[in-house]
Amino acid sequence: EAGVAQSPRYKIIEKRQSVAFWCNPISGHATLYWYQQILGQGPKLLIQFQNNGVVDDSQLPKDRFSAERLKGVDSTLKIQPAKLEDSAVYLCASSLDGYRDFEKLFFGSGTQLSVL
Amino acid sequence: AQSVSQHNHHVILSEAASLELGCNYSYGGTVNLFWYVQYPGQHLQLLLKYFSGDPLVKGIKGFEAEFIKSKFSFNLRKPSVQWSDTAEYFCAVNARSGGYQKVTFGIGTKLQVIP
Repeated sequence: EAGVAQSPRYKIIEKRQSVAFWCNPISGHATLYWYQQILGQGPKLLIQFQNNGVVDDSQLPKDRFSAERLKGVDSTLKIQPAKLEDSAVYLCASSLDGYRDFEKLFFGSGTQLSVL
Repeated sequence: AQSVSQHNHHVILSEAASLELGCNYSYGGTVNLFWYVQYPGQHLQLLLKYFSGDPLVKGIKGFEAEFIKSKFSFNLRKPSVQWSDTAEYFCAVNARSGGYQKVTFGIGTKLQVIP
């Protein structure tokens, strides 16, 4: 089966610029996650969607980060304006149904963002 | 809220050595526990998982993990590591929050196996 697709693979921007990441989950997966992984740390959940609704965005810095999942499929994560501390790998993951137990996550390859 | 602690951040072993990576979690309710692995240049993938029943679970490539409820631990083990096990290993806890499952990851352990 096709995996979780993410683009771009790498992105370098200057601080105060804006950037957007795209994710296409596995077909049929209702739940989509965006994680931020800073070098030397584990993935931190930024936002979780169930279909096209947000179920958890408690750790999303809403003054600069936004995300949407139109039609319950693809998703975009945007940062505007970017700060130096946003340098990280942004991981997208999906699962069949985040309301069920036992769900495993399928991860994309991630987007490595460098903010200069 | 749940949290996960991984005690060893960087482990270096020779081939055929035994491996044990520590993981402790903090959560007052029922949890599901996972180990994910990220091989160099690849994406994160599931290594093994525990939901209920036998606390000793077996995963791919000869890995196993033991859930000890009294210690809030879920340590990963492998009797004899290979060079191909060089990777970063993440412990994760999945707990119910507001009706949905929320997955929290540990900081990760980088394992380097020397031939």
